[in-house]
Amino acid sequence: QSALTQPASVSGSPGQSITISCTGTSGDVGNYDLVSWYQQHPGKAPKLIIYEVSERPSGISDHFSGSKSGNTASLTISGLQAEDEGDYYCCSYAGASIWVFGGGTKVTVL
Amino acid sequence: EVQLVDSGGGLVQLGGSLRLSCAASGFTFEDYAMHWVRQAPGKGLEWVSGISWNSHSIGYADSVKGRFIISRDNAKNSLYLQMNSLRTEDTALYYCAKGGELLLHAMDVWGQGTTVTVSS
Repeated sequence: QSALTQPASVSGSPGQSITISCTGTSGDVGNYDLVSWYQQHPGKAPKLIIYEVSERPSGISDHFSGSKSGNTASLTISGLQAEDEGDYYCCSYAGASIWVFGGGTKVTVL
Repeated sequence: EVQLVDSGGGLVQLGGSLRLSCAASGFTFEDYAMHWVRQAPGKGLEWVSGISWNSHSIGYADSVKGRFIISRDNAKNSLYLQMNSLRTEDTALYYCAKGGELLLHAMDVWGQGTTVTVSS
């Protein structure tokens, strides 16, 4: 059960697009279309923004999108806004009732 | 409104035990898998354990396997985490989270968390 690998930080200017990668293995990300992404603001509980690689829960803005290729999943934030600043975590099902999170990425809006 | 209220955290001595609880409301608790996720101070999220709606499927992170026990009482709309042989590295904010109808669905609602501090 190794944590998924995310970049520690990503930054962009308002209106730009940024992409956060999430690299796992053939036992987790590469084997299941069950990658989810969570947004967390300081002092708050995480919030689900993407599930099953690319699906958005009701009420989540379409400027969040997800994709996957092989063992790497990605979260793209289009039209970056100030309120998008925060920490982002990927998570993947790893089989046998086990889940694994990524180390998290701090997004900064310049 | 779907709501999860975590409780039971506190200060405990190294090697001690603690039982966390999560009270659910606003949805049919018995239909959904549930999870515990923790976050050490200043660190990222770590999945701890998950349990299916009927308790037939249970998973644990390697870091807690053999020490923690997850359980649920569908009649009481409650989720529990029995934490034994606590280590300093178990110090964290513990969140309960609602899963989907299956244990392999994402965690879509989170509690506010309860803080566990293990003192040496």
